[in-house]
Amino acid sequence: DTGVSQDPRHKITKRGQNVTFRCDPISEHNRLYWYRQTLGQGPEFLTYFQNEAQLEKSRLLSDRFSAERPKGSFSTLEIQRTEQGDSAMYLCASSSRYRDGELFFGEGSRLTVL
Amino acid sequence: DQQVKQNSPSLSVQEGRISILNCDYTNSMFDYFLWYKKYPAEGPTFLISISSIKDKNEDGRFTVFLNKSAKHLSLHIVPSQPGDSAVYFCAASDSNSGYALNFGKGTSLLVTP
Repeated sequence: DTGVSQDPRHKITKRGQNVTFRCDPISEHNRLYWYRQTLGQGPEFLTYFQNEAQLEKSRLLSDRFSAERPKGSFSTLEIQRTEQGDSAMYLCASSSRYRDGELFFGEGSRLTVL
Repeated sequence: DQQVKQNSPSLSVQEGRISILNCDYTNSMFDYFLWYKKYPAEGPTFLISISSIKDKNEDGRFTVFLNKSAKHLSLHIVPSQPGDSAVYFCAASDSNSGYALNFGKGTSLLVTP
């Protein structure tokens, strides 16, 4: 399967714990995005990488959120000191340089904070 | 603030008929518009897009119309098929931050046999 893969698919954690999500994009895609989707809403943009450079991070929800893409391949999204309001679906997407806007999404990582 | 609005949470259409999904936007800087389809337990899948220099784009059974003066776009599906039943998201971006898509809340389409 050459699509975008995300791991884990579902994470249940207690408030205050740290969580990390991993995303493996389509191999030839140099752009990688993280979105968040809550119930009844559309995806909400969080951050964006072009290769290993994080070109936009001002829309990360708080300083508890951070993302990395150390070698320009896979990416991680970390949420520190989780809160119940962080419960959501975290979507990763990738795209090629030639088709701006046409994102290929993974199936998402669902976070439940108890 | 919601810059992309899909005011119909749901739509039911008979198989073979036309489905029309609507979307309004408020940001006049948006110049690229897309529709995504989402099945349960899957990520959104790109369906069709349109640039602001066009007013229509067609791909098989799917056509997107853009009315810039009204800040309105619509997705037409003709003929509708049961497999089209999904949530449809409208999205928009501007050239300054084209990497960030702004999504609507989605419209759930049900196509009945």
